[in-house]
Amino acid sequence: DTGVSQNPRHKITKRGQNVTFRCDPISEHNRLYWYRQTLGQGPEFLTYFQNEAQLEKSRLLSDRFSAERPKGSFSTLEIQRTEQGDSAMYLCASSLAQNEQYFGPGTRLTVT
Amino acid sequence: QKEVEQNSGPLSVPEGAIASLNCTYSDRGSQSFFWYRQYSGKSPELIMSIYSNGDKEDGRFTAQLNKASQYVSLLIRDSQPSDSATYLCAVNFNSGNTPLVFGKGTRLSVIA
Repeated sequence: DTGVSQNPRHKITKRGQNVTFRCDPISEHNRLYWYRQTLGQGPEFLTYFQNEAQLEKSRLLSDRFSAERPKGSFSTLEIQRTEQGDSAMYLCASSLAQNEQYFGPGTRLTVT
Repeated sequence: QKEVEQNSGPLSVPEGAIASLNCTYSDRGSQSFFWYRQYSGKSPELIMSIYSNGDKEDGRFTAQLNKASQYVSLLIRDSQPSDSATYLCAVNFNSGNTPLVFGKGTRLSVIA
């Protein structure tokens, strides 16, 4: 069990650029979640997948945010036309059915 | 609005003492409750889950759930400086493994 992995760990980008983050869940986990965390706050839910189906995406912060999980394995989160307010830690978690969620190390995004 | 409330702290306890962390939640129908530990700059790490009223013990950690009063607590016995971190309470407000709602976390400082 290698745990949830995320890449890159850090991303610095200029305002207006597009960024894409990748998450590889624990291999047998069928559910994958994306959260965002800003300083002093708890993680805030963005979207989640069961296998390749995106079951909830209404919490994505704007239409600049999108996520995919094309083959039910890894997932990507894309932010288009980044803004300074997008600077945060982006966390991925996975779970097996109705069990506990385990987080990856996160991707820290800085928009300059 | 589903909410999870925690005192932000900091909560300071001497080494060897019991640390008591509390959390309240807004929905009486909530099913699953979790405690995560988060060190500064790191991602949340699951330390306890609890689903039924009463106590659940795991090593130095005890989670307590009272659904009638809508609160969940975490006790850390024999606190160590390495326990110094932010502790996040998370609630699954629906049956099944839907996204978690997190509190803002309580910062714990264990003084040697």
